[in-house]
Amino acid sequence: KNEVEQSPQNLTAQEGEFITINCSYSVGISALHWLQQHPGGGIVSLFMLSSGKKKHGRLIATINIQEKHSSLHITASHPRDSAVYICAVPSNYQLIWGAGTKLIIKP
Amino acid sequence: GAGVSQSPSNKVTEKGKDVELRCDPISGHTALYWYRQSLGQGLEFLIYFQGNSAPDKSGLPSDRFSAERTGGSVSTLTIQRTQQEDSAVYLCASSSDIAGFSTDTQYFGPGTRLTVL
Repeated sequence: KNEVEQSPQNLTAQEGEFITINCSYSVGISALHWLQQHPGGGIVSLFMLSSGKKKHGRLIATINIQEKHSSLHITASHPRDSAVYICAVPSNYQLIWGAGTKLIIKP
Repeated sequence: GAGVSQSPSNKVTEKGKDVELRCDPISGHTALYWYRQSLGQGLEFLIYFQGNSAPDKSGLPSDRFSAERTGGSVSTLTIQRTQQEDSAVYLCASSSDIAGFSTDTQYFGPGTRLTVL
């Protein structure tokens, strides 16, 4: 079993839809990262959170430490949100990456 | 610019040659990380520098890989005697990490795409 699992692996939605990407992990953590990788390969760090909820524009990230689960939500999705979204957790001084969720938003 | 920069953006080399990849972190960031992403694969941790401490080299795949960070700022990742399986995008990230690995947001550079023929 992978230490970090994301779902879904692929997601296609229409513009305007509410998007949820899930991340479950099996290791104890101090913080969890959400990252965005655009088709060109560039990676942007979206959130680092250790509890509760964070919001940035149309992006919301939540984490439940007891359940070892985090979600990334996108409200009013737009085609420019199309990217691979990755969650990553620290373990033994390394970052363990999820496999990523490929999101496509159609106009 | 204010972000992490990497050079070159693309590097094509012949098998057996040595390559050097450079990373300029955000000014003032004490932590610097190297990762690589092979085609169709996830991100793979390579090495981590934190301030003046000895680097965490546990992710380096072989002794052909080495990295150094001069003056606590610029870092160079060196791959000796390159092999075709070294072809990947090599990403550098930095953070203002103080308390420990990955407790702060990492800011990624654009990456260097390495192709070994």
